Amino acid sequence: GQNIDQPTEMTATEGAIVQINCTYQTSGFNGLFWYQQHAGEAPTFLSYNVLDGLEEKGRFSSFLSRSKGYSYLLLKELQMKDSASYLCAVLDSNYQLIWGAGTKLIIKP
Amino acid sequence: IAGITQAPTSQILAAGRRMTLRCTQDMRHNAMYWYRQDLGLGLRLIHYSNTAGTTGKGEVPDGYSVSRANTDDFPLTLASAVPSQTSVYFCASSDRRDRETGELFFGEGSRLTVL
Repeated sequence: GQNIDQPTEMTATEGAIVQINCTYQTSGFNGLFWYQQHAGEAPTFLSYNVLDGLEEKGRFSSFLSRSKGYSYLLLKELQMKDSASYLCAVLDSNYQLIWGAGTKLIIKP
Repeated sequence: IAGITQAPTSQILAAGRRMTLRCTQDMRHNAMYWYRQDLGLGLRLIHYSNTAGTTGKGEVPDGYSVSRANTDDFPLTLASAVPSQTSVYFCASSDRRDRETGELFFGEGSRLTVL
């Protein structure tokens, strides 16, 4: 079966750095997405990786290793507004998105 | 309007009733999707439409139906609601080029409670 694994919850301190990991086992791979979802709101797109390596976008970076079935989202200079759930999703060989359950990130002052 | 609009935002209904969740987008995206989101589970695809006039079944289609009469609208119907359909429902759209999904744009969600 297809599976996306992410930690259920993480806690970090304002101003610090946090890394959210995602491992996947899917039937094929056509890209990996990270979305942010604040409580009670819709998910919003953060990043897309299809090649190995690091993609940087401001305070957020996303890394992909296809050989290891692994990605991480790195958040720097954490702000209170970064408290949210972070969803990892993989596009499989049928171009269907497979979603992880999400990681709830709690930022403490 | 700009983006995707869902209605209603929240609804409580009795089991056995028929319910239609509405979804409208103004971005001229060809692909549209309906997901449900339950605590502890990832988003699960109910139905999708790659272009107006076509629809397909997702991971959890039973008990739901959709139609895509035009580019903008993609309603989701529960013919006879059951308590297990209590969930938050998200409509999404994407500019699907070739076979790539592309970035998804989500509506604000419809919280449905079936008693």
